Amino acid sequence: TQLLEQSPQFLSIQEGENLTVYCNSSSVFSSLQWYRQEPGEGPVLLVTVVTGGEVKKLKRLTFQFGDARKDSSLHITAAQPGDTGLYLCAGKNYGGATNKLIFGTGTLLAVQP
Amino acid sequence: DAGITQSPRYKITETGRQVTLMCHQTWSHSYMFWYRQDLGHGLRLIYYSAAADITDKGEVPDGYVVSRSKTENFPLTLESATRSQTSVYFCASSVSENQPQHFGDGTRLSIL
Repeated sequence: TQLLEQSPQFLSIQEGENLTVYCNSSSVFSSLQWYRQEPGEGPVLLVTVVTGGEVKKLKRLTFQFGDARKDSSLHITAAQPGDTGLYLCAGKNYGGATNKLIFGTGTLLAVQP
Repeated sequence: DAGITQSPRYKITETGRQVTLMCHQTWSHSYMFWYRQDLGHGLRLIYYSAAADITDKGEVPDGYVVSRSKTENFPLTLESATRSQTSVYFCASSVSENQPQHFGDGTRLSIL
């Protein structure tokens, strides 16, 4: 069974701080997605990274795909209370069954005002 | 634009009972998925469907049954509920093989 380990599992920070969330695996993925999930709602896609070493920015969020396509990171600059939520990474396999994703264990972020 | 809706949002039932969770999407997406979300496990795929009348097992299919007679509906049935199936269940859909998945708001299921 393939695993995507996320760290840290929980993170509580003050507004304005920076943070990084990591998503690691021993498997190679053809692409990797990051989702944010708020209480009582389903996950919402933030970004998809496809190329090894790729960096994508979404306002204060920076996503990077590892060169070997086994890991990814999410960096948030100057966190705000609106960033609070559960962050999930999800990898898609090379040659795997159609559109099946392997989800990470999640990082629960709380940004205190 | 209704999107993807799940019903019920909350359900309490007893062990041994049959329960069906509904998922309906208005986009005519080809692919639909069922996941369960549990602490420490993230989201795990139960079943998925590439089109009407085509379904396949995911990572944790035991104890679940699905059907897809119409493109827009993808019900998930627990034939004889067990306490280990207490979870939050999410349905998702995507337009095609390499497009993002869009999730419903989930059904919180408690089995006593």
